[in-house]
Amino acid sequence: GPKVLQIPSHQIIDMGQMVTLNCDPVSNHLYFYWYKQILGQQMEFLVNFYNGKVMEKSKLFKDQFSVERPDGSYFTLKIQPTALEDSAVYFCASSLLDREFEQYFGPGTRLTVL
Amino acid sequence: GEQVEQLPSILRVQEGSSASINCSYEDSASNYFPWYKQEPGENPKLIIDIRSNMERKQIQELIVLLDKKAKRFSLHITDTQPGDSAMYFCAATDNAPRFGAGTKLSVKP
Repeated sequence: GPKVLQIPSHQIIDMGQMVTLNCDPVSNHLYFYWYKQILGQQMEFLVNFYNGKVMEKSKLFKDQFSVERPDGSYFTLKIQPTALEDSAVYFCASSLLDREFEQYFGPGTRLTVL
Repeated sequence: GEQVEQLPSILRVQEGSSASINCSYEDSASNYFPWYKQEPGENPKLIIDIRSNMERKQIQELIVLLDKKAKRFSLHITDTQPGDSAMYFCAATDNAPRFGAGTKLSVKP
């Protein structure tokens, strides 16, 4: 079936550094999402993105977070600066325009902030 | 009022029996209710969903029920197999999905 790719699978950085998580969504999908999952807990919605704009974001989407998809390349989540509580697995998801809630998830990026 | 409650958190059943997971939501604007299966170290995978204009949907051994009045929905797995062992998450969606805390299902052979 359709696959969402995420790069890297693991990232370890020092607190205060910047990190960019990359998502390669399904090719004909137009809605993109980021979720955060702390180990053993539920996934929590961060943001969704369509047509170059943030459509909705949650309280977890702090000012240090930003998303973009320049020129149809990777859909990215940037955290600058990172904090210890940003350690989690970040899942990207994408969906079709008319089926925006039927999402395909990527394998996740495990981010560890030291 | 955007919480999604999911129970039980842990569910152990014998192979061949049925398993039921229940979720409740608060936002009456929720109109789409997907269920995801997540195996250890893997991404969540959509297994079945139901929209607010339906009360029941079945795909093979998976049945989902939706009671909009009570703001409850449930997943029922009939004839469970060891391969059904995983974390299961429900979600209620209006503009953005709100996930339940998950149910760890273990199916014993």
